[in-house]
Amino acid sequence: EVLLVESGGGLVQPGRSLRLSCYASGFSLGDYTVHWVRQAPGKGLEWIGFIRRKDRGETAEYAASAKGRITISRDDSKSSAHLQLSNLQIEDTAMYHCVRGGTTSGYSGLDQWGRGTLITVSS
Amino acid sequence: DIVMTQSPRFLPVIPGEPASISCRSSQSLLHSSGRNYVDWYLQKSGQSPQLLIYLGSNRASGVADRFSGSGSGTDFTLKISRVEAEDVGVYYCMQLLHPPWTFGQGTKVEI
Repeated sequence: EVLLVESGGGLVQPGRSLRLSCYASGFSLGDYTVHWVRQAPGKGLEWIGFIRRKDRGETAEYAASAKGRITISRDDSKSSAHLQLSNLQIEDTAMYHCVRGGTTSGYSGLDQWGRGTLITVSS
Repeated sequence: DIVMTQSPRFLPVIPGEPASISCRSSQSLLHSSGRNYVDWYLQKSGQSPQLLIYLGSNRASGVADRFSGSGSGTDFTLKISRVEAEDVGVYYCMQLLHPPWTFGQGTKVEI
């Protein structure tokens, strides 16, 4: 079974940092780009960034709202990806989803989504 | 950033009847390859989003053929030929031509 499982969320004070992890099973994560999408409570979806595959340099792109405060990394040997968030603000409170993207064969949608991990930023 | 505008924001539907959602982008999403870089997703209550349509008109694996995507440039449509009760939820379009990828605000579909 293809699965993405996020972890690392929780309650955190404003200004602190947090590192989320995403573990893949049932497929080779290294063959895919990895995206992070968040959803604030009762709100819509917000794409916050992605990391390319190793054969594309493992470079990342970020949304302007998060640029400078987030870093996406990956460790294909451990079938994992990570989202480092710093200087967290109240408005970063959201469910954070890890999502599978394009492959070496091309793009066929963000076709697998994790259930998400919730970050609550509050003093 | 490219802005994606969906309409309507709320769509009451009748089982067995057709339904459609519009998505308009602030810039053309037509790639030099001839493909339109827009996807459609459905988020059912309490669930993670699921892919319906990718690159404008390609139905994702396992998606019922009553769902179809069309359009080009800046205007796109998701159509449900005959709505079923399980189709309720919030539908999102998303552009992936230029980072940052951006979603529409969502359209809530209810019976």
